[in-house]
Amino acid sequence: DAKTTQPPSMDCAEGRAANLPCNHSTISGNEYVYWYRQIHSQGPQYIIHGLKNNETNEMASLIITEDRKSSTLILPHATLRDTAVYYCIVKSRAMGLNNDMRFGAGTRLTVKP
Amino acid sequence: DAGVIQSPRHEVTEMGQEVTLRCKPISGHNSLFWYRQTMMRGLELLIYFNNNVPIDDSGMPEDRFSAKMPNASFSTLKIQPSEPRDSAVYFCASSFGRSVISSGNTIYFGEGSWLTVV
Repeated sequence: DAKTTQPPSMDCAEGRAANLPCNHSTISGNEYVYWYRQIHSQGPQYIIHGLKNNETNEMASLIITEDRKSSTLILPHATLRDTAVYYCIVKSRAMGLNNDMRFGAGTRLTVKP
Repeated sequence: DAGVIQSPRHEVTEMGQEVTLRCKPISGHNSLFWYRQTMMRGLELLIYFNNNVPIDDSGMPEDRFSAKMPNASFSTLKIQPSEPRDSAVYFCASSFGRSVISSGNTIYFGEGSWLTVV
């Protein structure tokens, strides 16, 4: 699975958009980009994933560059409850026995009032 | 639908004692994962099962750690004997793969078991 690089920390003002970058320059054609977050003292929570097209759900939007070497997770209107560690993971298409998801250090997002 | 259920939520035990952590995955899921999280090492994958069969246990730190999945709805992670450096939060997670070539599986985590070995 391709390696990812994320900034260790970011701040965002409450109500503003939070844009969290992730570099995955060695991504291959069948690898998806996944985003999870972990709020303090809780288990990680799935946010969104994508392959090549931009994706949006009720939690966030995922923008993947055309060359797929980087992506940005967008929280359109950050709230204090969005303060968490955000993990970007690149994962190959599961082949039945290759379902594992491995986490890096992530980005610690702090939303400030 | 209930999520991944872990027990105990918190445990404090003395060095040398046996510790058993339990997990009930989401009904219908066919993959189960055990992770460990510490400040120093972050979130580490210890072992995962697919259809109750251990697939990759390369993350298990040493022989003191063992994991079993006797059926699709239950798994245990055992530490015997426990040591202070085993203090961590242990997460269980599960996912469902619809076919051998899947579109990528979302993993759902439990709330974790907070272990302190003194």
